Amino acid sequence: EIVMTQSPATLSVSPGERATLSCRASQSISSSLGWYQQKPGQAPRLLIYGASTRATGIPARFSGSGSGTEFTLTISSLQSEDFAVYYCQQYNNWPPTWTFGQGTKVEIK
Amino acid sequence: EVQLVESGGGLVQPGGSLRLSCAASAFTFSSYEMNWVRQAPGKGLEWVSYISSSGSTIYYTDSVKGRFTISRDNAKNSLYLQMNSLRAEDTAVYYCARGDSSGFYFDFWGQGTLVTVSS
Repeated sequence: EIVMTQSPATLSVSPGERATLSCRASQSISSSLGWYQQKPGQAPRLLIYGASTRATGIPARFSGSGSGTEFTLTISSLQSEDFAVYYCQQYNNWPPTWTFGQGTKVEIK
Repeated sequence: EVQLVESGGGLVQPGGSLRLSCAASAFTFSSYEMNWVRQAPGKGLEWVSYISSSGSTIYYTDSVKGRFTISRDNAKNSLYLQMNSLRAEDTAVYYCARGDSSGFYFDFWGQGTLVTVSS
């Protein structure tokens, strides 16, 4: 079973600043990693897939990088609407499972 | 606009059953893989079950195997989750989520339906 570990658990950032979120896989997952944003009371939204490709309609200030076991989501200049919880997620071929990290909460500093 | 609307949640006693539904619209439902993902109160996301576009391939997370059954009716653009032998730890918001073209990610989500298992 592949375990996804996100850090930090909470990130305090001022509006306009850069936020860097990390996700580590317990074994190599190539580039099969997605990032989701979830705001309170809302469903998650896909931001990034394939480790670095923005999903449709996602602003360019969101970028993803990494491969293997270490991945990063960067929000270049935090807007008020970006304060939320962010989850990474991987897909494992066998057994077929989809696994999320425990989440990173980005809060206003 | 793609829409996924879940229904069927509610309060059920331990050991009871519940059937969730997810109504899909504005896309060719029969062409997409579908999933159920849940989120316990104040907790993270947990994938629950997958069904292929035709319904011929199904997967479950270990904790629900033998208790939950996923199904779909492509003629009705609907996804279902039959939940039996419910436990307190099944308490969560249940989301239906569409698989993207690779099947690796979830590109659209419903708003969720809350299932509470309690006596």
